[in-house]
Amino acid sequence: EVQLVQSGVEVKKEGESLKISCQGSGYDFTNYWIGWVRQLPGKGLEWMGIIHPRDSDTRYRPSLRGQVTISADKSITTVYLQWSSLKAADTAMYYCARHREYSTSYYIDFWGQGTLVTVSS
Amino acid sequence: SSELTQPPSVSVSPGQTASITCSGDALSKQFAFWYQQRPGQAPVVVIYKDTERPSGIPARFSGSSSGTSVTLTISGVQAEDEADYYCQSADRSNTVIFGGGTKLTVL
Repeated sequence: EVQLVQSGVEVKKEGESLKISCQGSGYDFTNYWIGWVRQLPGKGLEWMGIIHPRDSDTRYRPSLRGQVTISADKSITTVYLQWSSLKAADTAMYYCARHREYSTSYYIDFWGQGTLVTVSS
Repeated sequence: SSELTQPPSVSVSPGQTASITCSGDALSKQFAFWYQQRPGQAPVVVIYKDTERPSGIPARFSGSSSGTSVTLTISGVQAEDEADYYCQSADRSNTVIFGGGTKLTVL
C-alpha cells in the first residue's frame, strides 16, 4: 500500500527557518516524482514543485523559485520542503504528493495527510 | 493564458446529476485531471487524462473534454459527494496548474 507520511504541525515566528518532511513507503521511491502542494487557509490548491529522488532533479513553480528548497534523501525515502526565513504569508497546509508523469507534464496519484504550518508575525 | 477557471459553487439534489466545468487555453493541448477534497481531508484523484477513472472511484464519476473546456459529471449524486473539486492541467512550460476549485453542495 502506497503511503506518504508527513511530519507534524509546526508553529513558528516570522524570520525562523523550517524543514518539513514526507516519508514514502509501499512503492519504489526512486521511480516517481514527488513534490509539494500548498493550500492557504480557506483557499485552493497551489503546486509548489517536485523532485525526482533518483537524481534530485528538481522543478519549481516559477514564482516560488528561491523562496523554498525541495530536497530528498532516497536512503530513507524522504522528501523535504525547507524555508530559510518564514513569512506570515507562508501559513498554510502543505501536502506531499506523488506525481505520475505523462507525455508533457504530471498529475498526482497519491497525497500525504498534510502538514499545517502556522507562522505568526 | 495559463489559468483554469471553475465556477465557485454548484448545488444539486441527491440523485440528480452534477456537472462542473473547467475552462482554459491549456486544455486544448494538455490533459485534465480532477480531484475531490472532502472537508479536512487530502485531495483524491477522481478522473485522470480527461476521461479515465482510477480504480476504486465509483462509476458515477465521469469526465469529458471539448476544445478549451473539460467537464466532471457526477451522476446520481450522493451526500458523500459533497466536497470541493479541483481541475488540474499544465501550462505552456509544463508546470502543474490548478483551477480555483468548485464547492459541490448536495441539498
